[in-house]
Amino acid sequence: SQTIHQWPATLVQPVGSPLSLECTVEGTSNPNLYWYRQAAGRGLQLLFYSVGIGQISSEVPQNLSASRPQDRQFILSSKKLLLSDSGFYLCAWRPGETQYFGPGTRLLVL
Amino acid sequence: KQEVTQIPAALSVPEGENLVLNCSFTDSAIYNLQWFRQDPGKGLTSLLLIQSSQREQTSGRLNASLDKSSGRSTLYIAASQPGDSATYLCAVRGGTSYGKLTFGQGTILTVHP
Repeated sequence: SQTIHQWPATLVQPVGSPLSLECTVEGTSNPNLYWYRQAAGRGLQLLFYSVGIGQISSEVPQNLSASRPQDRQFILSSKKLLLSDSGFYLCAWRPGETQYFGPGTRLLVL
Repeated sequence: KQEVTQIPAALSVPEGENLVLNCSFTDSAIYNLQWFRQDPGKGLTSLLLIQSSQREQTSGRLNASLDKSSGRSTLYIAASQPGDSATYLCAVRGGTSYGKLTFGQGTILTVHP
């Protein structure tokens, strides 16, 4: 079966600290992968997508970056977190027409 | 730029009622439309996907319709139950992006016993 994992589930970080969120997919190969952010009072916003290893496209300019070092691994990073980076981060993949989401990481920047 | 709006923002109904959630989008050139459910603090669960060429899709007590030309979709929930309480999100996929979804703000549904 195909599953998607995200960790950590919850993270509290001080302003200016680095960030690394990981997403992995099992049971498939060469999936399209996506990072979304859901901020309080705002809808889900696509941050990055990747169609293959090393191929990253950014949807919005921001303090974050993404990498895809392996076929089924997608990483969201920041060198220095801002307060505005707080939110619920969701990884998703699309094996066909339907997009499936991971359990999410809740990030609180203090 | 595609914009997706969901009405109402929140809905509270007694158990057993049939209800309709609305979704509208500004650019009718979509590839498909997907309805999701999100429980508090959780990820999204896909409920139904309607291709741009389809008019409706059904799954159990859920029925989603699509009127692409008018930029509207509705999610119909029959015989609502307390377990249906969640946030319902509508998302459209554009025709030229790599599966990018544009989401509405969601409808928070509460079904009370």
